[in-house]
This record gives sequence, structure tokens and C-alpha cells, in this order.
Amino acid sequence: GAGVSQSPSNKVTEKGKDVELRCDPISGHTALYWYRQRLGQGLEFLIYFQGNSAPDKSGLPSDRFSAERTGESVSTLTIQRTQQEDSAVYLCASSLAGRVEGWNTIYFGEGSWLTVV
Amino acid sequence: SQQGEEDPQALSIQEGENATMNCSYKTSINNLQWYRQNSGRGLVHLILIRSNEREKHSGRLRVTLDTSKKSSSLLITASRAADTASYFCATAGRSNDYKLSFGAGTTVTVRA
Repeated sequence: GAGVSQSPSNKVTEKGKDVELRCDPISGHTALYWYRQRLGQGLEFLIYFQGNSAPDKSGLPSDRFSAERTGESVSTLTIQRTQQEDSAVYLCASSLAGRVEGWNTIYFGEGSWLTVV
Repeated sequence: SQQGEEDPQALSIQEGENATMNCSYKTSINNLQWYRQNSGRGLVHLILIRSNEREKHSGRLRVTLDTSKKSSSLLITASRAADTASYFCATAGRSNDYKLSFGAGTTVTVRA
């Protein structure tokens, strides 16, 4: 596609339910990233994929969070047993390769706004 | 944890004026980038400056980097209403240069 696509755009869920957030990166981009942004704050790194492997998942806040990527394309971020503190915008980004350099800009999606009530 | 910290947190200026915001960081970097975010959604990459560069220009944007002070500044000249947004600095570390560490951002409001 033309850009990074995320769905759903907005999700309201009840505390304790599981949610899945989807990311379609730019075609051909091998690197994919998930970030979380709480209201009024900067972005927190969650996980980085190179191809279908996740060499760095150090930012996942707890074992309720997991992510996978298939076909070196689509990625899904799953949050189990959601808590109110999970409310945030979840941003996905992709780049040609894993290195953040001048020739390798990271492109962000519009994000999925998750509200846990 | 967030590495960068922007200053000021918020800035309100008149159209046509210049807007300057600063970013400080803590650890050695490979490069530093500035992003713009409109209405709390997707981020748009503005400019990247490498650790061995001191100044960079792109259109109405001017970025400086002082690695001895671990700080950077973003100057937007002749601001327009469309520049109203949040601006974030992000650093890529030397050892894990795939990972960006973001500050909390500066919210800029340009009044017509």
C-alpha cells in the first residue's frame, strides 16, 4: 500500500477483554515497529521485527502483551485481559531495513486509539 | 524509558514568527531526528541529523546538534497556521540503532 495502515482506528473495550491491533506495513519494508503513546506523552518503544523475527521485544510492558508478524508483512499486537492503564494510541511503523539512518526513514501509521473502560 | 526531553512543553506564537524548541538527551547517539504529529495521530519525519553533523536545513526548518551538551534545537522560520502540531525529538542509539527513544514533545500553536 501507499503507507502504513492500522486497524482499528479506534477501539473501546471493557476491562478484562482481549484486543488485537493490526498493522499493514509498506510493501517491501522488512523492519516493523510498535510504539505506544499515552495521552500527552512521547512514544514508548514496544517491539521491533526484522522479517518475521522479533530480535527486540524488551519494551512489551507485561506478559499480557504479545505481537507476531507473518509473511514479512502484517503484524498483530495482542493485549490480553486489558487494563485501564493500557489506554493509549498504539502506533506501528515500518522501514526498509532495521537501521534508522538518513536513507532509511521510518514511516508511521495513523495509530489505533485504545480506550479501556 | 524516554531519553529525550523537549523544552518548552508548549509554545504559542503569531503567524510569521519563528518557533524554537530544544531537546536534551542522555546517552551517546547515532543520530537524532525530529518528527511532527498532528492531532495526536501519525508522526511525520521532518529531519535527521547525524552525530557528526552540527547543523542541517530543510526548507523552513533548521536543526542544530551539540553532542558535547547532548542537546539539539529545531527552528521553524516564518511559521504558518499549518505548523500547529506537536514536535518530538527522537534519538537512535549507537548500539541499537533500530530503536528510537522519544521525548514528550513540544506543542506548538501558531495563531493566525
